[in-house]
Amino acid sequence: DAGVIQSPRHEVTEMGQEVTLRCKPISGHDYLFWYRQTMMRGLELLIYFNNNVPIDDSGMPEDRFSAKMPNASFSTLKIQPSEPRDSAVYFCASRVRQGNTEAFFGQGTRLTVV
Amino acid sequence: GDSVTQMEGPVTLSEEAFLTINCTYTATGYPSLFWYVQYPGEGLQLLLKATKADDKGSNKGFEATYRKETTSFHLEKGSVQVSDSAVYFCALSDRGGAQKLVFGQGTRLTINP
Repeated sequence: DAGVIQSPRHEVTEMGQEVTLRCKPISGHDYLFWYRQTMMRGLELLIYFNNNVPIDDSGMPEDRFSAKMPNASFSTLKIQPSEPRDSAVYFCASRVRQGNTEAFFGQGTRLTVV
Repeated sequence: GDSVTQMEGPVTLSEEAFLTINCTYTATGYPSLFWYVQYPGEGLQLLLKATKADDKGSNKGFEATYRKETTSFHLEKGSVQVSDSAVYFCALSDRGGAQKLVFGQGTRLTINP
Protein backbone atom coordinates (compact mmCIF):
# COMPACT_ATOMS: atom_id res chain seq x y z
CA ASP A 1 0.00 0.00 0.00
CA ALA A 2 1.26 3.50 -0.82
CA GLY A 3 0.25 4.87 2.54
CA VAL A 4 -1.81 7.97 3.16
CA ILE A 5 -1.49 10.29 0.18
CA GLN A 6 -1.99 14.02 0.43
CA SER A 7 -2.00 16.64 -2.28
CA PRO A 8 -0.67 19.11 -2.96
CA ARG A 9 2.55 18.96 -0.92
CA HIS A 10 2.88 22.72 -1.02
CA GLU A 11 0.29 25.41 -1.65
CA VAL A 12 0.82 29.15 -1.80
CA THR A 13 -2.28 31.26 -2.18
CA GLU A 14 -3.40 34.81 -1.73
CA MET A 15 -5.56 35.91 1.12
CA GLY A 16 -9.25 35.56 0.30
CA GLN A 17 -8.80 32.68 -2.11
CA GLU A 18 -10.36 29.26 -1.66
CA VAL A 19 -7.97 26.43 -0.84
CA THR A 20 -8.73 22.71 -1.10
CA LEU A 21 -6.50 20.09 0.44
CA ARG A 22 -6.90 16.46 -0.53
CA CYS A 23 -6.33 13.13 1.17
CA LYS A 24 -6.49 9.50 0.14
CA PRO A 25 -6.46 7.23 3.19
CA ILE A 26 -5.08 3.72 3.32
CA SER A 27 -7.54 1.26 1.80
CA GLY A 28 -9.62 -0.51 4.41
CA HIS A 29 -9.09 2.07 7.13
CA ASP A 30 -12.21 3.11 9.00
CA TYR A 31 -11.13 6.41 10.54
CA LEU A 32 -9.76 9.52 8.88
CA PHE A 33 -8.34 12.46 10.79
CA TRP A 34 -7.30 15.97 9.76
CA TYR A 35 -4.64 17.68 11.89
CA ARG A 36 -3.05 21.11 11.68
CA GLN A 37 0.53 21.78 12.78
CA THR A 38 1.76 25.25 13.71
CA MET A 39 4.70 26.50 15.72
CA MET A 40 2.43 28.20 18.22
CA ARG A 41 -0.16 25.49 18.80
CA GLY A 42 1.60 22.29 17.79
CA LEU A 43 -0.54 19.48 16.37
CA GLU A 44 -4.28 20.02 16.68
CA LEU A 45 -7.06 17.68 15.63
CA LEU A 46 -9.48 19.52 13.38
CA ILE A 47 -12.03 16.86 12.48
CA TYR A 48 -12.36 13.12 12.11
CA PHE A 49 -14.56 10.75 10.15
CA ASN A 50 -15.74 7.21 10.84
CA ASN A 51 -16.80 5.28 7.75
CA ASN A 52 -17.05 8.54 5.80
CA VAL A 53 -19.30 10.20 8.39
CA PRO A 54 -18.00 13.30 10.24
CA ILE A 55 -18.05 12.48 13.94
CA ASP A 56 -16.33 15.36 15.71
CA ASP A 57 -15.57 18.71 14.11
CA SER A 58 -15.08 20.61 17.35
CA GLY A 59 -11.49 21.37 16.40
CA MET A 60 -12.39 23.21 13.23
CA PRO A 61 -11.36 26.77 14.03
CA GLU A 62 -13.99 28.72 12.12
CA ASP A 63 -16.83 28.39 9.67
CA ARG A 64 -14.33 29.17 6.93
CA PHE A 65 -13.12 25.59 7.34
CA SER A 66 -15.09 22.65 6.02
CA ALA A 67 -14.29 18.99 5.40
CA LYS A 68 -15.97 16.26 3.40
CA MET A 69 -15.48 12.57 2.80
CA PRO A 70 -17.65 11.60 -0.17
CA ASN A 71 -16.33 8.03 -0.21
CA ALA A 72 -13.97 5.73 1.63
CA SER A 73 -10.98 6.66 -0.49
CA PHE A 74 -11.11 10.45 -0.57
CA SER A 75 -11.44 13.42 1.74
CA THR A 76 -11.07 17.17 1.32
CA LEU A 77 -10.41 20.04 3.68
CA LYS A 78 -11.50 23.39 2.31
CA ILE A 79 -10.74 26.88 3.54
CA GLN A 80 -12.83 29.69 2.10
CA PRO A 81 -11.80 32.45 2.29
CA SER A 82 -8.23 31.81 3.35
CA GLU A 83 -6.32 34.11 5.71
CA PRO A 84 -2.61 34.44 6.52
CA ARG A 85 -3.16 32.89 9.97
CA ASP A 86 -4.27 29.68 8.24
CA SER A 87 -0.68 29.14 7.15
CA ALA A 88 0.37 25.78 8.60
CA VAL A 89 1.11 22.18 7.71
CA TYR A 90 -2.06 20.13 7.39
CA PHE A 91 -1.85 16.39 7.97
CA CYS A 92 -4.27 13.66 7.15
CA ALA A 93 -4.13 10.34 9.02
CA SER A 94 -6.08 7.10 8.92
CA ARG A 95 -6.42 3.98 11.00
CA VAL A 96 -8.42 0.79 11.25
CA ARG A 97 -11.24 0.21 13.72
CA GLN A 98 -9.43 -2.35 15.87
CA GLY A 99 -8.19 -0.95 19.13
CA ASN A 100 -4.63 0.04 20.02
CA THR A 101 -3.53 0.28 16.42
CA GLU A 102 -1.48 3.15 15.15
CA ALA A 103 -2.63 6.01 13.00
CA PHE A 104 -0.75 6.40 9.71
CA PHE A 105 0.03 9.93 8.60
CA GLY A 106 0.44 11.45 5.18
CA GLN A 107 3.37 13.69 4.35
CA GLY A 108 1.31 16.80 4.87
CA THR A 109 0.40 19.87 2.86
CA ARG A 110 2.33 23.02 3.68
CA LEU A 111 -0.06 25.92 3.16
CA THR A 112 1.15 29.49 2.91
CA VAL A 113 -1.41 32.27 2.65
CA VAL A 114 0.09 35.61 1.63
CA GLY B 1 -9.31 17.46 28.99
CA ASP B 2 -6.47 15.12 28.20
CA SER B 3 -3.05 16.67 27.69
CA VAL B 4 0.59 15.79 27.09
CA THR B 5 3.60 17.79 28.25
CA GLN B 6 7.01 17.25 26.72
CA MET B 7 10.45 18.41 27.63
CA GLU B 8 11.29 21.76 26.10
CA GLY B 9 13.56 21.72 23.11
CA PRO B 10 15.57 21.98 21.08
CA VAL B 11 17.97 19.29 22.25
CA THR B 12 21.46 19.02 20.77
CA LEU B 13 23.72 16.06 21.49
CA SER B 14 26.87 14.52 20.16
CA GLU B 15 26.81 11.18 18.41
CA GLU B 16 26.80 8.19 20.80
CA ALA B 17 25.43 10.27 23.67
CA PHE B 18 22.58 9.04 25.88
CA LEU B 19 19.18 10.52 25.12
CA THR B 20 16.22 11.18 27.38
CA ILE B 21 13.16 13.15 26.32
CA ASN B 22 10.66 13.57 29.13
CA CYS B 23 6.94 13.17 28.63
CA THR B 24 4.12 13.36 31.17
CA TYR B 25 0.41 13.15 30.59
CA THR B 26 -2.93 13.99 32.13
CA ALA B 27 -5.85 11.80 31.23
CA THR B 28 -9.02 10.31 32.56
CA GLY B 29 -8.92 6.57 32.49
CA TYR B 30 -6.06 4.59 31.03
CA PRO B 31 -4.87 5.89 27.70
CA SER B 32 -2.50 4.25 25.24
CA LEU B 33 0.80 6.10 24.89
CA PHE B 34 2.87 6.69 21.77
CA TRP B 35 6.04 8.26 20.51
CA TYR B 36 5.93 9.53 16.94
CA VAL B 37 8.92 10.84 14.98
CA GLN B 38 8.89 13.44 12.22
CA TYR B 39 11.89 13.62 9.90
CA PRO B 40 12.42 16.84 7.90
CA GLY B 41 9.76 17.30 5.25
CA GLU B 42 7.95 14.12 6.23
CA GLY B 43 4.80 13.13 8.03
CA LEU B 44 4.70 11.53 11.44
CA GLN B 45 5.76 7.93 11.86
CA LEU B 46 5.05 5.72 14.82
CA LEU B 47 8.25 5.03 16.73
CA LEU B 48 6.87 2.95 19.60
CA LYS B 49 3.81 2.50 21.76
CA ALA B 50 2.57 1.06 25.06
CA THR B 51 -1.02 0.24 25.82
CA LYS B 52 -1.05 -0.48 29.54
CA ALA B 53 0.82 0.28 32.73
CA ASP B 54 4.38 -1.09 32.96
CA ASP B 55 4.46 -1.96 29.26
CA LYS B 56 7.73 -1.08 27.55
CA GLY B 57 7.67 -0.02 23.93
CA SER B 58 10.86 -0.34 21.93
CA ASN B 59 12.04 0.20 18.37
CA LYS B 60 15.31 1.15 16.63
CA GLY B 61 17.13 1.29 19.97
CA PHE B 62 14.58 3.64 21.51
CA GLU B 63 12.61 2.62 24.60
CA ALA B 64 9.83 4.07 26.74
CA THR B 65 7.99 2.58 29.72
CA TYR B 66 4.38 3.38 30.62
CA ARG B 67 4.53 4.58 34.24
CA LYS B 68 1.04 5.01 35.65
CA GLU B 69 2.22 6.08 39.10
CA THR B 70 4.15 9.04 37.68
CA THR B 71 1.95 9.48 34.57
CA SER B 72 5.07 9.46 32.43
CA PHE B 73 6.37 7.91 29.22
CA HIS B 74 9.96 9.12 28.85
CA LEU B 75 11.83 8.29 25.66
CA GLU B 76 15.40 6.94 25.96
CA LYS B 77 18.16 5.75 23.70
CA GLY B 78 21.57 4.61 24.84
CA SER B 79 23.64 5.81 21.90
CA VAL B 80 22.19 8.27 19.40
CA GLN B 81 23.21 8.63 15.77
CA VAL B 82 23.16 11.57 13.38
CA SER B 83 20.26 9.88 11.60
CA ASP B 84 18.14 10.22 14.76
CA SER B 85 17.92 13.98 14.20
CA ALA B 86 14.20 14.71 13.95
CA VAL B 87 11.24 16.06 15.91
CA TYR B 88 9.79 13.66 18.48
CA PHE B 89 6.18 13.80 19.63
CA CYS B 90 4.71 12.12 22.66
CA ALA B 91 1.02 11.36 22.34
CA LEU B 92 -1.86 9.63 24.05
CA SER B 93 -5.04 8.18 22.72
CA ASP B 94 -8.25 7.80 24.60
CA ARG B 95 -10.14 4.54 24.83
CA GLY B 96 -13.03 5.75 22.74
CA GLY B 97 -13.79 4.16 19.41
CA ALA B 98 -11.72 6.58 17.36
CA GLN B 99 -8.82 6.66 19.82
CA LYS B 100 -8.06 10.24 18.91
CA LEU B 101 -4.46 11.27 19.42
CA VAL B 102 -3.51 14.17 21.68
CA PHE B 103 0.05 15.33 21.05
CA GLY B 104 2.70 17.06 23.08
CA GLN B 105 4.37 20.10 21.59
CA GLY B 106 7.25 18.14 20.09
CA THR B 107 10.98 18.13 20.85
CA ARG B 108 13.48 18.91 18.11
CA LEU B 109 16.57 16.71 18.42
CA THR B 110 19.82 17.45 16.61
CA ILE B 111 22.72 15.02 16.74
CA ASN B 112 26.15 16.35 15.78
CA PRO B 113 28.85 14.01 14.43
